[in-house]
Amino acid sequence: AQSVTQPDIHITVSEGASLELRCNYSYGATPYLFWYVQSPGQGLQLLLKYFSGDTLVQGIKGFEAEFKRSQSSFNLRKPSVHWSDAAEYFCAVGAPSYGNKLVFGAGTILRVKS
Amino acid sequence: DTAVSQTPKYLVTQMGNDKSIKCEQNLGHDTMYWYKQDSKKFLKIMFSYNNKELIINETVPNRFSPKSPDKAHLNLHINSLELGDSAVYFCASSQDANQPQHFGDGTRLSIL
Repeated sequence: AQSVTQPDIHITVSEGASLELRCNYSYGATPYLFWYVQSPGQGLQLLLKYFSGDTLVQGIKGFEAEFKRSQSSFNLRKPSVHWSDAAEYFCAVGAPSYGNKLVFGAGTILRVKS
Repeated sequence: DTAVSQTPKYLVTQMGNDKSIKCEQNLGHDTMYWYKQDSKKFLKIMFSYNNKELIINETVPNRFSPKSPDKAHLNLHINSLELGDSAVYFCASSQDANQPQHFGDGTRLSIL
């Protein structure tokens, strides 16, 4: 069965600073990997996805993530954070062979200070 | 246009009652899902339907019963509500196993 670990519960960065949110996964085959963002009281919005091919994927809102098979990681990055990026971020691994269920990490809350 | 819509957005009720949450998607997707997000924001899948057929049924009490009248709708009925059922329930849909899931805004269920 697949699992996802997001080691950081909270991260605080200054506006304009760079950001990296960590995600490690466990899955027996090539995973489908996702990052979602959830603002307070809202649903989850897909930021980006990795299925195959280029290991550096670009997403919406200036986010990118890099799949590193050797490290079982899929870290999310943004070069310059904006105050509107403050939200909770969830990494997820999908398993098409298991009915495409998503297994989520526990989430990382991002705070942006001005 | 809302892609995945859930009703109601908020549901406050008493222990022991029976309630339903409705979900509709207008994306033409074949697969729909129900997830539960607990008070610690942990998200876990409950059910998945593909073309009205149940394909995922995680370890969920049988008080929870999903129903899919057609592939655009997946409703969740909960019998004999308990305090531990308080959570946010999210509906999602995807075209198939190789496509990402799109989520609704959630239904916040509070049990008094």
